[in-house]
Amino acid sequence: DTAVSQTPKYLVTQMGNDKSIKCEQNLGHDTMYWYKQDSKKFLKIMFSYNNKELIINETVPNRFSPKSPDKAHLNLHINSLELGDSAVYFCASSQGLASGYTFGSGTRLTVV
Amino acid sequence: GQNIDQPTEMTATEGAIVQINCTYQTSGFNGLFWYQQHAGEAPTFLSYNVLDGLEEKGRFSSFLSRSKGYSYLLLKELQMKDSASYLCACLEGGTALIFGKGTTLSVSS
Repeated sequence: DTAVSQTPKYLVTQMGNDKSIKCEQNLGHDTMYWYKQDSKKFLKIMFSYNNKELIINETVPNRFSPKSPDKAHLNLHINSLELGDSAVYFCASSQGLASGYTFGSGTRLTVV
Repeated sequence: GQNIDQPTEMTATEGAIVQINCTYQTSGFNGLFWYQQHAGEAPTFLSYNVLDGLEEKGRFSSFLSRSKGYSYLLLKELQMKDSASYLCACLEGGTALIFGKGTTLSVSS
């Protein structure tokens, strides 16, 4: 039973398209996150939701819009995809500090 | 703002001990984490330090000095499977983990 699951695992799409990535966690955690990992493996926070409320919104183009229908789900919608959006996107969840974050297996997005 | 520095690459041999250093400058520091990430996989949690000192977990230990803005991850009895990226991350203000750029460790036989 996967703790944090993301779909799809791979996504290849053309510039200008709109796409969504879904994330679900079955850990009962209150907080969920989206991170972007670029080609140099740098993992950067994009958004954080606590109990369906947005608490972090880093400097991310407004083409990216997170949506949290309930505290177990955090989806990421991306409009008008650009080449520079190609990266691996990781969803994560947490509850408290000492146990850290649990990451999903990532979605590799390739924009062509 | 935050600045987290760690070496880009390190190499070591099986059975050896390696220490991966991390220095940080952050505001509202709430703890330091180490994660392991194998190629093509998700980061996995290794350790959490919020107080000064050494935390030991099997072959892995992590140290923190808050006054120096310094941490290290110590890996003992290295195995080939320890070849991975090791990510240092700071928790700022209890809101989100801010990661360093990672250290790629290559273990050879």
